[in-house]
Amino acid sequence: EPEVTQTPSHQVTQMGQEVILRCVPISNHLYFYWYRQILGQKVEFLVSFYNNEISEKSEIFDDQFSVERPDGSNFTLKIRSTKLEDSAMYFCASRAGTTLETQYFGPGTRLLVL
Amino acid sequence: AQSVTQLDSQVPVFEEAPVELRCNYSSSVSVYLFWYVQYPNQGLQLLLKYLSGSTLVKGINGFEAEFNKSQTSFHLRKPSVHISDTAEYFCAVTTNSGGSNYKLTFGKGTLLTVNP
Repeated sequence: EPEVTQTPSHQVTQMGQEVILRCVPISNHLYFYWYRQILGQKVEFLVSFYNNEISEKSEIFDDQFSVERPDGSNFTLKIRSTKLEDSAMYFCASRAGTTLETQYFGPGTRLLVL
Repeated sequence: AQSVTQLDSQVPVFEEAPVELRCNYSSSVSVYLFWYVQYPNQGLQLLLKYLSGSTLVKGINGFEAEFNKSQTSFHLRKPSVHISDTAEYFCAVTTNSGGSNYKLTFGKGTLLTVNP
């Protein structure tokens, strides 16, 4: 069964450093998402991406964040200058098409900013 | 905007007992509802979803949920749980008010622990 994969599974970084979280969505899916979950809090929507551009972003997704689909398979989330409060589990998800279909989630990347 | 409340952060039960995990939502427009499960060190896996039609929805692993519009609830149930059902369960909602984006709004999750 096809699945969404994410790398790395864990990342530790120093405050102010740039990090790139990588995701490989399910092949032929068209919609891509990033969500995050700060420890003990809700899973929160960050951004959605369709047709090589951001289709919606939340208030959390400020200028420090960016997303990219550099090739036909990878979908990345970059945090330019990490803050302590960026420590969270980051989930990538993908969805096949324009109808309401299931979002498939990856296993997540746990980011710790020191 | 919509929101989801999962009333119980932790639910401990004994094996073979029934369980109900509660979920309430708030929205000014029609909603679509989901339950996801997260096993340790794994991603979120869809258990079941309500889009329209019958309010009783059956999912994988013997779980079911009932959509109650008047009570704005979508509680998850299983008549007899197994040790392997130990996991975190997330209720989520989306609407079509934002076009075809369908971003999900999640509850905080309920940790179900099944004890022998």
